[in-house]
Amino acid sequence: AQKITQTQPGMFVQEKEAVTLDCTYDTSDQSYGLFWYKQPSSGEMIFLIYQGSYDEQNATEGRYSLNFQKARKSANLVISASQLGDSAMYFCAMREGLNTGGFKTIFGAGTRLFVKA
Amino acid sequence: NAGVTQTPKFRVLKTGQSMTLLCAQDMNHEYMYWYRQDPGMGLRLIHYSVGEGTTAKGEVPDGYNVSRLKKQNFLLGLESAAPSQTSVYFCASSYGGVGSYEQYFGPGTRLTVT
Repeated sequence: AQKITQTQPGMFVQEKEAVTLDCTYDTSDQSYGLFWYKQPSSGEMIFLIYQGSYDEQNATEGRYSLNFQKARKSANLVISASQLGDSAMYFCAMREGLNTGGFKTIFGAGTRLFVKA
Repeated sequence: NAGVTQTPKFRVLKTGQSMTLLCAQDMNHEYMYWYRQDPGMGLRLIHYSVGEGTTAKGEVPDGYNVSRLKKQNFLLGLESAAPSQTSVYFCASSYGGVGSYEQYFGPGTRLTVT
């Protein structure tokens, strides 16, 4: 069963506007972490932001924030004030078993973001 | 700190040939991983290691072997390459144990099997 679902294969956003990239997940574990990575056209994977299942507040890192809705099992990435350099592929990922040393991270299929000037 | 490095960056193989991809990390991480990335499928875990001398199978291990003789190195081998193994391969490393931690990725190796 697919555990990480990113339903938007591609998204367009105007420069300086905010954009939300969707991610839903499926797990029966109580202790898990959610990650977002960025992959620019150069190919490297860049860690953006992390949210733990027990974290009560939504994670923020600069222009990135994670809209965590635990009951809905969603972990959407919000990018504020989009820049041309934000054009990239974005992956949502989940790691289960945080409190038992779990190490497997499962990735979604990704969303390609295009920022228009 | 070089972080995670991978060699080679590109390779073309003929069906049936063998090769080894090398991953090295200088962050003293316990865990190391090999992923493959195919269009529309995100990253899929091939093999992983939770420490020197240990390896285990991930989601898509068939056709690959790995070794972790030294903590800083994780090798991925293809004994008899097939066109279905054409992909981009990423190595990653992370801290181990309980808690939150992200993975650090290498730059990737683009492999084409003809």
